[in-house]
Amino acid sequence: EIVLTQSPGTLSLSPGERATLSCRASQSVSSSYLAWYQQKPGQAPRLLIYGASSRATGIPDRFSGSGSGTDFTLTISRLEPEDFAVYYCQQYGSSPRGTFGQGTKVEIK
Amino acid sequence: EVQLVESGGGLVQPGRSLRLSCAASGFTFDDYAMHWVRQAPGKGLEWVSGISWNSGSIGYADSVKGRFTISRDNAKNSLYLQMNSLRAEDTALYYCAKAFFQSSTSCFDYWGQGTLVTVSS
Repeated sequence: EIVLTQSPGTLSLSPGERATLSCRASQSVSSSYLAWYQQKPGQAPRLLIYGASSRATGIPDRFSGSGSGTDFTLTISRLEPEDFAVYYCQQYGSSPRGTFGQGTKVEIK
Repeated sequence: EVQLVESGGGLVQPGRSLRLSCAASGFTFDDYAMHWVRQAPGKGLEWVSGISWNSGSIGYADSVKGRFTISRDNAKNSLYLQMNSLRAEDTALYYCAKAFFQSSTSCFDYWGQGTLVTVSS
């Protein structure tokens, strides 16, 4: 079973700054079946990125995903106030499974 | 508009059973795999179980294998999770989630608001 490790656990940044979130897999994620989600308190997760780098419908272009194999990154180019949330990566290459990373909290500095 | 509405959660004693339901609307239900994901209070997301469009492929997390059973009724646009031998560590908000792609490998594009399961004596 693939284990996903996200870092850092918490990222303290100011609005307007760049956020870089990491997701490392214990083994290669096939065909870049890697997704990123955003979750705000009291809400269900929202799909941001799929296929490691494709933005889901309606997701602003300040969100971008990159990486392949075992190392993946979510970048938020300029943080808006509404971007402060918890972010999860997920691998979905071994269907119908979908293991998640433990999450990175992006908080206001 | 896609809607996923979970129900069936509640307070249950350890060792007892509970059946969760998810009513789907706004899309062709039998075209997509469906999943259950849970989130313990203050914790991260944990994938629980998934089922392909025709129930031909099913998967479970190791933590629930042998205790939980996922099923679907395409005629009723509904997804189910039968949870037996419940433990305190099963306490969580349980989300129903729709596969993004019609293929067997997919992330999740729509989520319900969840139903809370509390296992306690």
